[in-house]
Amino acid sequence: DAGVIQSPRHEVTEMGQEVTLRCKPISGHNSLFWYRQTMMRGLELLIYFNNNVPIDDSGMPEDRFSAKMPNASFSTLKIQPSEPRDSAVYFCASSHGGGSGRSFISTDTQYFGPGTRLTVL
Amino acid sequence: QQPVQSPQAVILREGEDAVINCSSSKALYSVHWYRQKHGEAPVFLMILLKGGEQMRHEKISASFNEKKQQSSLYLTASQLSYSGTYFCGTPANAGGTSYGKLTFGQGTILTVHP
Repeated sequence: DAGVIQSPRHEVTEMGQEVTLRCKPISGHNSLFWYRQTMMRGLELLIYFNNNVPIDDSGMPEDRFSAKMPNASFSTLKIQPSEPRDSAVYFCASSHGGGSGRSFISTDTQYFGPGTRLTVL
Repeated sequence: QQPVQSPQAVILREGEDAVINCSSSKALYSVHWYRQKHGEAPVFLMILLKGGEQMRHEKISASFNEKKQQSSLYLTASQLSYSGTYFCGTPANAGGTSYGKLTFGQGTILTVHP
């Protein structure tokens, strides 16, 4: 089975340019998460979706960041304009997620994509 | 609230044992453990459920202490392949709808030398 797919795997761009990161979740999963990881700040949750609807975007650092999930099999994270401090590894993860009570617990397991290493010069 | 992991880092020689702890200030219903090797994505190891059995992944086992609101990861007879950063994750809204959101600890860096 295909896991979470992210593209591109590496992106080098210049300050001020627009960057778009892409993610395809595991088929059948209905929750999708975007994370950013740096040495200084560790693993940070930026935004997550459930059934294509953004649930919590409080982790998005600035208005320069935006995310969309137009359908169950595709999501994008866009940075416009990009800055050197945006350099990081960006991970997308998906899970079954949802429901309530004990029944949802085992569905919380998240599966991570390989990540996109972004370098902004 | 973010769960707290201890220690922050541990260095072992092959064959030695280690314990990594994950503590929460709120009641826990489950704890997820992940391992991230250098340059790779975090990979799910196991999930511990409230009232559930101790789990095992290869020679790595974990337990869940509900009263202490803590989970411990036991790495027995460590191998070079165990090196990496270990994260614990807890559901954001225990007992309620969380949409799968996990709050991760800050990570424990494990280094195994020959």
